[in-house]
Amino acid sequence: NAGVTQTPKFQVLKTGQSMTLQCAQDMNHNSMYWYRQDPGMGLRLIYYSASEGTTDKGEVPNGYNVSRLNKREFSLRLESAAPSQTSVYFCASSEGIANEETQYFGPGTRLLVL
Amino acid sequence: GQQLNQSPQSMFIQEGEDVSMNCTSSSIFNTWLWYKQEPGEGPVLLIALYKAGELTSNGRLTAQFGITRKDSFLNISASIPSDVGIYFCAGRETSGSRLTFGEGTQLTVNP
Repeated sequence: NAGVTQTPKFQVLKTGQSMTLQCAQDMNHNSMYWYRQDPGMGLRLIYYSASEGTTDKGEVPNGYNVSRLNKREFSLRLESAAPSQTSVYFCASSEGIANEETQYFGPGTRLLVL
Repeated sequence: GQQLNQSPQSMFIQEGEDVSMNCTSSSIFNTWLWYKQEPGEGPVLLIALYKAGELTSNGRLTAQFGITRKDSFLNISASIPSDVGIYFCAGRETSGSRLTFGEGTQLTVNP
């Protein structure tokens, strides 16, 4: 069992470039989440998907889009990267939205936007 | 949005010492959680609290859900080097709302 996997581990982008962060879970979880982590800010929710076929905005959705491709995969897209999006991005999953606290996190993607 | 204030921001302690950290919110929460994040990894849930006054232990870790429902505390007894990491509190105001995370406490344990 790999749990939650994220690709890539590291990425450097120039301002204006686009990219997609990939996330997959093999625990048959219904709910998936994308967070960003910045120094002194804790984890902030970008988007989440309570179940396959649904997505909802979190606390900081601007500049991002998501796709719940199937039950396993939840991708995060930056259409036009900005330096303010330099961060560590974590994907997580839980059995359901009601079990959010027992979510399992991936290892993170470190993104630098120049 | 909801703010969680976590303190201290960082701690440098000697192996064997006890550690205390806390988290306060500006509104009432119905769930308090404590996570640990090790370098290069995602956070892992340590303890979950669901009732005011609840005291729960996980090995050398003990967490409490404050009586006012606006705070929570985490204690680590007899620290060891592998306790190093960032400890996050998180909470939820109502059953329909999403979790809010604190800023984290960076713990360093000197052997």
